[in-house]
Amino acid sequence: AQSVTQLGSHVSVSEGALVLLRCNYSSSVPPYLFWYVQYPNQGLQLLLKYTSAATLVKGINGFEAEFKKSETSFHLTKPSAHMSDAAEYFCAVSDSSASKIIFGSGTRLSIRP
Amino acid sequence: DTEVTQTPKHLVMGMTNKKSLKCEQHMGHRAMYWYKQKAKKPPELMFVYSYEKLSINESVPSRFSPECPNSSLLNLHLHALQPEDSALYLCASSQDRALGQGSSYEQYFGPGTRLTVT
Repeated sequence: AQSVTQLGSHVSVSEGALVLLRCNYSSSVPPYLFWYVQYPNQGLQLLLKYTSAATLVKGINGFEAEFKKSETSFHLTKPSAHMSDAAEYFCAVSDSSASKIIFGSGTRLSIRP
Repeated sequence: DTEVTQTPKHLVMGMTNKKSLKCEQHMGHRAMYWYKQKAKKPPELMFVYSYEKLSINESVPSRFSPECPNSSLLNLHLHALQPEDSALYLCASSQDRALGQGSSYEQYFGPGTRLTVT
């Protein structure tokens, strides 16, 4: 069975600092991995996805994530945090035989002025 | 256009009411989904439609009844709900996801309907 674990339910960083949100996955087959962002009272927006084409994936709003098979990780980073990045972030996993996406528990990102 | 629309944005209903949530997409996607999301939790999958046929029902109570009139529309009919059903209901769509066949297409989400059951 597939699963994802997001380490840290809440991460707080200063504006301009590095953002690092951690995600580890478990999958018996090559996974497809996603990061979604959810702003308050809104739906989920796809930030980026990994589908085996490249291990370093660039997404919207300056975010990127690196797939590391040896560490079963897909951490999300952004070099410099903006106040507008404050939101809930979900890591998710799927595979070529599944018809659904499994979401992690989410990480709330807060930005300090 | 990667937009999924949902109506209404907010809904308050009593436990004896019947109401419907609506979802629409014009991206040519053939898979559509309903999720329920409680505060501070990830979305929970409720139903999946693939090519307008119900392909997954995650053991959802019968007071929730999905309907897919055509490839662009998805409804969720609500009847005799309980206060614990209050949540954000999200619709999503993706390219075809026939069961047992390949491709992990990303899902595009609508803004949701905030449902309160009184």
